[in-house]
Amino acid sequence: AQSVTQPDIHITVSEGASLELRCNYSYGATPYLFWYVQSPGQGLQLLLKYFSGDTLVQGIKGFEAEFKRSQSSFNLRKPSVHWSDAAEYFCAVGLREAGNMLTFGGGTRLMVKP
Amino acid sequence: DTAVSQTPKYLVTQMGNDKSIKCEQNLGHDTMYWYKQDSKKFLKIMFSYNNKELIINETVPNRFSPKSPDKAHLNLHINSLELGDSAVYFCASSPLAGVNEQFFGPGTRLTVL
Repeated sequence: AQSVTQPDIHITVSEGASLELRCNYSYGATPYLFWYVQSPGQGLQLLLKYFSGDTLVQGIKGFEAEFKRSQSSFNLRKPSVHWSDAAEYFCAVGLREAGNMLTFGGGTRLMVKP
Repeated sequence: DTAVSQTPKYLVTQMGNDKSIKCEQNLGHDTMYWYKQDSKKFLKIMFSYNNKELIINETVPNRFSPKSPDKAHLNLHINSLELGDSAVYFCASSPLAGVNEQFFGPGTRLTVL
């Protein structure tokens, strides 16, 4: 069965600093990969997605992620964090043969220091 | 216009009651989903429904039943509520073709007393 691991439960960065959130997946083939963000009390918003092609994908709000097949990773990055980026971030794997249902990682809570 | 909406936003009820959560999407999508987010923020798929086929996550108790009156609606009915059902429930939708991004509703926080 597929699984998604986000090793960091909490991360704190200073405003203006760079950010990298880790995501590893376990799956027999190349999955479809997503990063979602959840602000407090809100639903999930898609940041970016990888289906195929260029392994570096750009998303909204200045985020990017890189798919590394050899490492089974899809890490999320941002060069300069803003206070409004404080939220919960979820990595997810989508599987066509599972009715497009998403399997989520446990989430990483990002806190931003002024 | 809200793309995926859920009602109610908050639901507080007693153990043993039966309740429903409604979901509507105006995106013209063919596939809808229900997810459960527990107190530790862990998100887990419950159902996928594409107007023709219901895919059930086998770990979901049969007290939970999705009901879809039409393509734009997927309601979640829960019988005999238990304390462990307390969670935030998210509805989502996506286009039918292949694997696509899912658009999520704002969530319904269910509290069972």
